[in-house]
Amino acid sequence: QAVVTQEPSLTVSPGGTVTLTCDTSTGTVTSGLYPYWFQQKPGQAPRTLIYDTTIKHSWTPARFSGSLLGGKAALTLSGAQPEDEADYYCSLTYTGARVFGGGTKLTVL
Amino acid sequence: QVQLVQSGAEMQEPGASVKVSCKASGYTFTDYYIHWVRQAPGQGLEWLGWINPKTGDTKYAQKFQGWATVTRDTSISTVYMELNRLKSDDTAVYYCARGVRTSPGFQTPYDFWGQGTLVTVPS
Repeated sequence: QAVVTQEPSLTVSPGGTVTLTCDTSTGTVTSGLYPYWFQQKPGQAPRTLIYDTTIKHSWTPARFSGSLLGGKAALTLSGAQPEDEADYYCSLTYTGARVFGGGTKLTVL
Repeated sequence: QVQLVQSGAEMQEPGASVKVSCKASGYTFTDYYIHWVRQAPGQGLEWLGWINPKTGDTKYAQKFQGWATVTRDTSISTVYMELNRLKSDDTAVYYCARGVRTSPGFQTPYDFWGQGTLVTVPS
């Protein structure tokens, strides 16, 4: 089974910009792996921010954006807010089966 | 409004089985896939599989093939996830989530999640 890799932790200053990435053991992340990004805060169910690489849900704050960057999927947060401190998970699809990355703990400090 | 309501917490002995339910309401049950995701305490998310409620077709993560079984009862708009031969490592919160549509149309995948069901398997 493919392995999906994320940065274990990142820190961003309030108002700053940070990019989280999502890599695949199979080579390059493409739109055909349908990258999704999820946010999870302590004690809560995950919430989907981005699907199909770039598409936002209606509740996704405009400061979040998804892209492909350097062969990886990327989630960019521009203008970080304290409430963005959370765990972020990406997932990719391989012939219909989803695989989650290990998650990135984002600290806003 | 759309809701996915899961069954309550369970404690099972090692070697036993557990069956978690996910009752959908507020939309046409057969219009969307249902996925199962679990999260062990302090750990990340792990995808188990999905079911197409319209056809009953399923797909599992390689790890869970032959071990997890996802079924549905369309008469009561409910999906079930059964995991057998439980080990202490299976202690986790199990979530169901609504996936993509089963037919072409505007997609909003993983837009609704169940509240999670804690399954505890003592060591």
